[in-house]
Amino acid sequence: GQNIDQPTEMTATEGAIVQINCTYQTSGFNGLFWYQQHAGEAPTFLSYNVLDGLEEKGRFSSFLSRSKGYSYLLLKELQMKDSASYLCAVMDSNYQLIWGAGTKLIIKP
Amino acid sequence: GAVVSQHPSRVICKSGTSVKIECRSLDFQATTMFWYRQFPKQSLMLMATSNEGSKATYEQGVEKDKFLINHASLTLSTLTVTSAHPEDSSFYICSARQFAGGMSIQETQYFGPGTRLLVL
Repeated sequence: GQNIDQPTEMTATEGAIVQINCTYQTSGFNGLFWYQQHAGEAPTFLSYNVLDGLEEKGRFSSFLSRSKGYSYLLLKELQMKDSASYLCAVMDSNYQLIWGAGTKLIIKP
Repeated sequence: GAVVSQHPSRVICKSGTSVKIECRSLDFQATTMFWYRQFPKQSLMLMATSNEGSKATYEQGVEKDKFLINHASLTLSTLTVTSAHPEDSSFYICSARQFAGGMSIQETQYFGPGTRLLVL
């Protein structure tokens, strides 16, 4: 079956760095997405990786290793507004999005 | 966990025809469902928010007469693309927000697998 695993919840301190991991097993691979979702709001796109390596975008970076079925989202200089859920999603060979359950990130002062 | 299904998963139609996409919450009641559209390698674009028993709220730039949304029950919302044209070809994804009932409302959205529409 197809499966996306990410931690349910993580806690970090304002100003620190946090890494959210995502492992996947899917039938085919057409890219991996990270989304941010604040409570009660629609998810917002953060990153897309289809090739191995690190993609940096401001305070956020996303890494992909296709051979390991692994990705992580790295958030630097954490701010209180970064408190949200972070969704990992993989597009499989049928271009269907397979979603992780999301990681709730709690930022403490 | 909560499961949301979409049907069909993929559809090809001729220009000018209408296509209906169903979104179902399988094991929970969803007072609110969201319809998104996604182009390749781009973010999800929220099209509309659908509340059970009331009219959908459309985002700016989304034609409500072209994208008809019906949310007749707590487990089903439908999106009908009327008089489809090739530019409507896209990936449509719904999500459902669970209503826990009683004391609080779950904010978690559960997403369907998406429907790929190709208009020829």
